[in-house]
Amino acid sequence: EVQLVQSGAEVKKPGESLKISCKGSGYSFTSYWIGWVRQMPGKGLEWMGIIYPGDSDTRYSPSFQGQVTISADKSISTAYLQWSSLKASDTAMYYCATGSTVTRFDYWGQGTLVTVSS
Amino acid sequence: SYVLTQPPSVSVAPGQTARITCGGNNIGSKSVHWYQQKPGQAPVLVVYDDSDRPSGIPERFSGSNSGNTATLTISRVEAGDEADYYCQVWDSSSDRGVFGGGTKLTVL
Repeated sequence: EVQLVQSGAEVKKPGESLKISCKGSGYSFTSYWIGWVRQMPGKGLEWMGIIYPGDSDTRYSPSFQGQVTISADKSISTAYLQWSSLKASDTAMYYCATGSTVTRFDYWGQGTLVTVSS
Repeated sequence: SYVLTQPPSVSVAPGQTARITCGGNNIGSKSVHWYQQKPGQAPVLVVYDDSDRPSGIPERFSGSNSGNTATLTISRVEAGDEADYYCQVWDSSSDRGVFGGGTKLTVL
């Protein structure tokens, strides 16, 4: 059974850094793309970016390029989403999701709620 | 950048058929995927590659795609189908994924 387990909720202050994680199991971690999706409170889904852990090929949406970093550690089947300096507008639920192709997400994690507030 | 347009809401009575559209420039040339998201839950893939269903998704869910419009059709709608539905494509010209704005399905 494919499972993606995300790290727990975070409460941070503006300007702080953060790295959230997503651990995959039940499939070949290096053979599936894994991406991140943002959902701001009461809003829709936004495609942020995606990585292929097998060779670290990474694509970003222009809206998120330079704002976040996506990475993966294939030795522990874990993908990451990180910020160097959080803003209040980063407050959202963040989902990781994986797919056999770069074009879609077949399986989703449970989500990580990030709250940024002074 | 590629834009997908969905109606904000669709309402349907139980047992009837719901049709949720997703508009985009020449979307018929792309593969469209649909996700269902119930309140407080993560999204679930319900249709992929225009009209295929993942294992475990009822046959009541189907999809089509032609020209500038893709459509998710839910037959014999049940109360449990009430959710937000999102279409998604891969935009090969910009090498990124794109979601539609989402449609809230209300079962009357």
